[in-house]
Amino acid sequence: KQEVTQIPAALSVPEGENLVLNCSFTDSAIYNLQWFRQDPGKGLTSLLLIQSSQREQTSGRLNASLDKSSGRSTLYIAASQPGDSATYLCTAGANNLFFGTGTRLTVIP
Amino acid sequence: ETGVTQTPRHLVMGMTNKKSLKCEQHLGHNAMYWYKQSAKKPLELMFVYSLEERVENNSVPSRFSPECPNSSHLFLHLHTLQPEDSALYLCASSQDRSYRAQAFFGQGTRLTVV
Repeated sequence: KQEVTQIPAALSVPEGENLVLNCSFTDSAIYNLQWFRQDPGKGLTSLLLIQSSQREQTSGRLNASLDKSSGRSTLYIAASQPGDSATYLCTAGANNLFFGTGTRLTVIP
Repeated sequence: ETGVTQTPRHLVMGMTNKKSLKCEQHLGHNAMYWYKQSAKKPLELMFVYSLEERVENNSVPSRFSPECPNSSHLFLHLHTLQPEDSALYLCASSQDRSYRAQAFFGQGTRLTVV
């Protein structure tokens, strides 16, 4: 069964810092890897979707990479802002959507 | 705004009550999902509907009863719930159930069972 792990579970950084969130998955037979943002008590907002044939996707200050062979994805956030504070979830899409438990990010003004 | 709308946003119900959660999407998607999110746990898939037919039921207790009257609407009927059912219930949709397509989530319904 696919297992998705996100490290660290929580991260605090000062505003303006660049940061990397990590996601690992045990089964490389995936269709895609998707990163979501979740604000407290709210739903999930899709940030980036990387198809299995792709290596990375970029949207504004966000860049996500995918290395299927090593079972890893990273989400890079440049010049972090207090508004980036949220929980970030990654999902591996295969015969199901497998979720990690998320990284709770706090950007300190 | 993701295109997936859930109502109500918050619900408090007693263990003997009957209530329903509603999800609506006008994205033209053919697959819809119910997820449960409890504190400090990964999202748990509850039900999958594809073209209005239930195709997955992940060992969910019968006190949760889904209904998909058409491809745009999904309901979760609740009755005789337990306090441990308190959670955020999220609805999602995608073009099809292959999981190749991008999933879009609603804002969720925060359910509290008292």
